[in-house]
Amino acid sequence: KQEVTQIPAALSVPEGENLVLNCSFTDSAIYNLQWFRQDPGKGLTSLLLIQSSQREQTSGRLNASLDKSSGRSTLYIAASQPGDSATYLCAVSRNNAGNMLTFGGGTRLMVKP
Amino acid sequence: EPEVTQTPSHQVTQMGQEVILRCVPISNHLYFYWYRQILGQKVEFLVSFYNNEISEKSEIFDDQFSVERPDGSNFTLKIRSTKLEDSAMYFCASSEQGMNTQYFGPGTRLTVL
Repeated sequence: KQEVTQIPAALSVPEGENLVLNCSFTDSAIYNLQWFRQDPGKGLTSLLLIQSSQREQTSGRLNASLDKSSGRSTLYIAASQPGDSATYLCAVSRNNAGNMLTFGGGTRLMVKP
Repeated sequence: EPEVTQTPSHQVTQMGQEVILRCVPISNHLYFYWYRQILGQKVEFLVSFYNNEISEKSEIFDDQFSVERPDGSNFTLKIRSTKLEDSAMYFCASSEQGMNTQYFGPGTRLTVL
């Protein structure tokens, strides 16, 4: 059974810092990995999707990398801003028709002005 | 930008009652999903739906749950006889193709008393 773990569970940084969020998964037979942002009491906003054949994806100040063989992904946030404060979730999908996503527990990020 | 919508935003019901949660996926998407998040816990997959039938379901999705696409726009989740432990945020999601980015709605908070 796929298990997804995110470290750290919480992170507090001053504005302007570059930071790295980590995601690990136990079964490397994934089809893709998706990073989401969740604001308190809100839905999930998709940030980046990396196919299993890709090594990284970039969107603005965000860069996500994937090392499928070692079961790891990182989300790099450059020049963090208070508006980046949220919970960041990673999720992996298996190689099957259902496209079920298995989620990690998230990293709660606070960026202080 | 197209988005997934869900109604109601909050539903309160008595234990044993039936509830129907409604979702309108993004219009050109073909794959639909339900997930739930119990307060303080991980987001969990319930079911995926394609071509008018269930593609995959989790252990959570037992005989008390059912899904339906009653017309060309709505996608519903029915819980036949709610239990206290069904209290959670329920998220609907959709994707254009099976392995593409999943876009999530804002969620319906279900409270079972």
